Amino acid sequence: GAVVSQHPSWVICKSGTSVKIECRSLDFQATTMFWYRQFPKQSLMLMATSNEGSKATYEQGVEKDKFLINHASLTLSTLTVTSAHPEDSSFYICSAKSERDFNEQFFGPGTRLTVL
Amino acid sequence: GQNIDQPTEMTATEGAIVQINCTYQTSGFNGLFWYQQHAGEAPTFLSYNVLDGLEEKGRFSSFLSRSKGYSYLLLKELQMKDSASYLCAVMDSNYQLIWGAGTKLIIKP
Repeated sequence: GAVVSQHPSWVICKSGTSVKIECRSLDFQATTMFWYRQFPKQSLMLMATSNEGSKATYEQGVEKDKFLINHASLTLSTLTVTSAHPEDSSFYICSAKSERDFNEQFFGPGTRLTVL
Repeated sequence: GQNIDQPTEMTATEGAIVQINCTYQTSGFNGLFWYQQHAGEAPTFLSYNVLDGLEEKGRFSSFLSRSKGYSYLLLKELQMKDSASYLCAVMDSNYQLIWGAGTKLIIKP
């Protein structure tokens, strides 16, 4: 199966700072990547769809100026949480769509963000 | 609107069999996925169904009926490590995954 990596695995930051999370498809090219957020004991919530070479599509209620997404290459998408606050503390998971695998989504291991 | 329904929580006994149901209403259909997610970890792929019928993979099987908008995940010979959330997701006509809220499966000895 395809492999997706995510970095960092966990991060603790102070309120008001910005945090960048990287999502990489290691052995396949991903035109489309997805960013999810998951609060404890809740299901995945899609935040945005990241398309290589174009602007991300954000889900309703997700602030695009707060959650900056850049999909600069076919193997890398980044999510930057700007001016993070404690309520942004969550588990952020990316996935990459693999066209060679029937458009299945392969998930990264997730990034646990804690904002103090 | 698009909707995926699955039970919130189920409990089963070690060694037994459990069936987790999923019903869906989506704009188009390009396949149904089941994922397993342990607490604090990312989801891992279990199965993919795009045609009607049963797909068997070891202790896990997944069934699909497109006319009924229905799928189930069958887990046999349950082990304690199977305690996890099981997520049903449907790929719609735009190849977007629509997610169910997940079913938390609790395995008791």
